[in-house]
Amino acid sequence: GAGVSQSPSNKVTEKGKDVELRCDPISGHTALYWYRQSLGQGLEFLIYFQGNSAPDKSGLPSDRFSAERTGGSVSTLTIQRTQQEDSAVYLCASSPRGTSAEPSSYEQYFGPGTRLTVT
Amino acid sequence: ELKVEQNPLFLSMQEGKNYTIYCNYSTTSDRLYWYRQDPGKSLESLFVLLSNGAVKQEGRLMASLDTKARLSTLHITAAVHDLSATYFCAVDPGGGADGLTFGKGTHLIIQP
Repeated sequence: GAGVSQSPSNKVTEKGKDVELRCDPISGHTALYWYRQSLGQGLEFLIYFQGNSAPDKSGLPSDRFSAERTGGSVSTLTIQRTQQEDSAVYLCASSPRGTSAEPSSYEQYFGPGTRLTVT
Repeated sequence: ELKVEQNPLFLSMQEGKNYTIYCNYSTTSDRLYWYRQDPGKSLESLFVLLSNGAVKQEGRLMASLDTKARLSTLHITAAVHDLSATYFCAVDPGGGADGLTFGKGTHLIIQP
């Protein structure tokens, strides 16, 4: 079946511009996560959605970052007034998240990522 | 704050050898994940370990979890070149409401 998809795969933007990154999770997965991966910081958790709500926004690095999820499915991560330190690969993952006791229900399946370069 | 430490961070080994990657974490958790990442690619799930004493094996890779010691290991048996990749462990800090906290990754090169 279809996995997690993300778009665009690559984005180059100028400092100060806003960008939107999109994630399409695996159908039926209730949980959705955003992470970013950079050389300096490794893999960092950004935000988690259960359904449409985001109980944990603690990982968002600044108030320039926001995310929403609609219809319990697609999510967008928006970065306003981008800075060079925002350059990274942004990864989205989805999970059935505990819909059963099986280990597979806790797995997080990652998308291919969006490589963001801020010039 | 949860800390996850992997070692070694870099490992070069020969085909046919055995080796172990270690993952220590700082707070109580009973959910531990291992991922593989190839250059330029995303993360591929290898194992999910959900309880103390859990052991999972797939091919030449075996993962185990000791929640009392806050330690997981990923053991490679008779390594082959195709296993060259970066391996990450990650810990779920609790309850399902949080994202994973990742180690820095172990860059593994297996020489023919």
